[in-house]
Amino acid sequence: ELKVEQNPLFLSMQEGKNYTIYCNYSTTSDRLYWYRQDPGKSLESLFVLLSNGAVKQEGRLMASLDTKARLSTLHITAAVHDLSATYFCAVDESSGSRLTFGEGTQLTVNP
Amino acid sequence: EAGVAQSPRYKIIEKRQSVAFWCNPISGHATLYWYQQILGQGPKLLIQFQNNGVVDDSQLPKDRFSAERLKGVDSTLKIQPAKLEDSAVYLCASSLVSYEQFFGPGTRLTVL
Repeated sequence: ELKVEQNPLFLSMQEGKNYTIYCNYSTTSDRLYWYRQDPGKSLESLFVLLSNGAVKQEGRLMASLDTKARLSTLHITAAVHDLSATYFCAVDESSGSRLTFGEGTQLTVNP
Repeated sequence: EAGVAQSPRYKIIEKRQSVAFWCNPISGHATLYWYQQILGQGPKLLIQFQNNGVVDDSQLPKDRFSAERLKGVDSTLKIQPAKLEDSAVYLCASSLVSYEQFFGPGTRLTVL
């Protein structure tokens, strides 16, 4: 059974600081997604990582995938309050199959 | 492009009652998914459809949950009878075959 673990689960940071969220998974996969969820809202797709070494950037967020280490990272640069949300990574075991989600990282950016 | 539509957005029922949720996927998306998200957790897949057919329902509690996708478009998810532990947000998602999933706004179910 595929396990997906995120850490930290809770992250409180100051505006302007940098931090990284880690996503480890237990089985071979070369397809990983990052989603953002605001309170009471649905999931918003942030990044789709489809191969080893994939790196994608959007604004202050950058995601990468290392399939050999079974690890993805979501790096936050110079955090701003608007980034406060819960971030999920999700792994697709085989193309088009179910997504297995991590527990989520609840990020709070303090002014 | 219109997103995934779900209704109702909120539902409160008593335990042992029945409830149904509706989902309309993005036009042209052959694959439809129902996820259950319990408060404080990541979503968990309940069932996946490819057009009309079920691809994966291994995590669906079949003694009380059922789902159908008529004509390969809209889908309904039913719970009968509901238990307290079914309180959750039910998310519908759709995708083109083998690609990124797009999620609807969800239905928040409270079972009293």
